[in-house]
Amino acid sequence: DAGVTQSPTHLIKTRGQHVTLRCSPISGHKSVSWYQQVLGQGPQFIFQYYEKEERGRGNFPDRFSARQFPNYSSELNVNALLLGDSALYLCASSFRDSGANVLTFGAGSRLTVL
Amino acid sequence: GQQVMQIPQYQHVQEGEDFTTYCNSSTTLSNIQWYKQRPGGHPVFLIQLVKSGEVKKQKRLTFQFGEAKKNSSLHITATQTTDVGTYFCAGTGSGNTGKLIFGQGTTLQVKP
Repeated sequence: DAGVTQSPTHLIKTRGQHVTLRCSPISGHKSVSWYQQVLGQGPQFIFQYYEKEERGRGNFPDRFSARQFPNYSSELNVNALLLGDSALYLCASSFRDSGANVLTFGAGSRLTVL
Repeated sequence: GQQVMQIPQYQHVQEGEDFTTYCNSSTTLSNIQWYKQRPGGHPVFLIQLVKSGEVKKQKRLTFQFGEAKKNSSLHITATQTTDVGTYFCAGTGSGNTGKLIFGQGTTLQVKP
């Protein structure tokens, strides 16, 4: 069985540009969460989706948005990129939407903003 | 808002020595999870603790959840070079479904 897959693995953008990151959860998992991990820090919660509905939003500006598709895959969009958006963006899937569920993380998309 | 703090930030040990990392939350947690991230990798789930005072063991790793459900610890006995990485605790507060609050992690280096 494939794990959580994310694309692209690496990308470089310039300030002001827009980026779309994609995630496919483990088969059978209906919840997808997005986390931002800046170098040297722990992952920070951005969004959680379950059954295509937003179930949680972290303390990120409106430039960050996401959605989940009928096949449970998800996209994270970031507009008007800033230097500070440079980070590893992690997608995690779980079977349910409860906080007691174990998260399985993908390998991440490493974004560099110049 | 809810915060989860971990100490120490870094730990260098000689292979065979023990290692402990501590996690403290500003609020009571409904559960706590521990993850390990190898250099250049992504977080991988290790264990989840739910009950007050719970202790769980995985081979050389011992995990504890405090009586007040506000703190936790991970202890590794006789470290090996394969234990190298960053260990994160992550907690869920009551009512915060699906949102994990991660600590800043403890990075373990093991000298052979």
